[in-house]
Amino acid sequence: DQQVKQNSPSLSVQEGRISILNCDYTNSMFDYFLWYKKYPAEGPTFLISISSIKDKNEDGRFTVFLNKSAKHLSLHIVPSQPGDSAVYFCAASETGANNLFFGTGTRLTVIP
Amino acid sequence: DGGITQSPKYLFRKEGQNVTLSCEQNLNHDAMYWYRQDPGQGLRLIYYSQIVNDFQKGDIAEGYSVSREKKESFPLTVTSAQKNPTAFYLCASSRDRKMNTEAFFGQGTRLTVV
Repeated sequence: DQQVKQNSPSLSVQEGRISILNCDYTNSMFDYFLWYKKYPAEGPTFLISISSIKDKNEDGRFTVFLNKSAKHLSLHIVPSQPGDSAVYFCAASETGANNLFFGTGTRLTVIP
Repeated sequence: DGGITQSPKYLFRKEGQNVTLSCEQNLNHDAMYWYRQDPGQGLRLIYYSQIVNDFQKGDIAEGYSVSREKKESFPLTVTSAQKNPTAFYLCASSRDRKMNTEAFFGQGTRLTVV
């Protein structure tokens, strides 16, 4: 049973525009959320995170929004760059747990 | 340069054989993890270890075994009991005993059963 869902397997965006990647979760006990970026044949690298006590966290071109009532989070990339083309994984965890639950990923393609 | 090293990058195994994937970290992290990635699926936890000489099963531990004899090393053995071993395997570590921003991933090992 997938507790973290990324319903869009792929997304294409023009360079300079905004990329919005979405993620939904079902477990209301999750209180920490992360986004990872992954290039082919490489391990994921941490991008940005947000705690459930916040509804927004910003780091440069990347902003994560959390809507707890909807159990939904999104990653905004502005402006999008060709180097952002990768697979983005949403992940969630519960305080005290030893596991991160990952979504299935969204492949972002930024078109020059 | 600190990091996590997985080897080999590609591995081929005949059916019925055991194979061991290596994971070494020089980050002085306490916790280490093994994940498996299959096409169209997220990463799934196989085993984790919070401290030397201790490890716990994750969500899909059947057919796998691990050891944690040294802080730096957390090898994963894919046994012949694993029914569908072909996958991309990722090792990770974290400073704290939680998977959070301190988690770093290795480059992965792609295992193919032939």
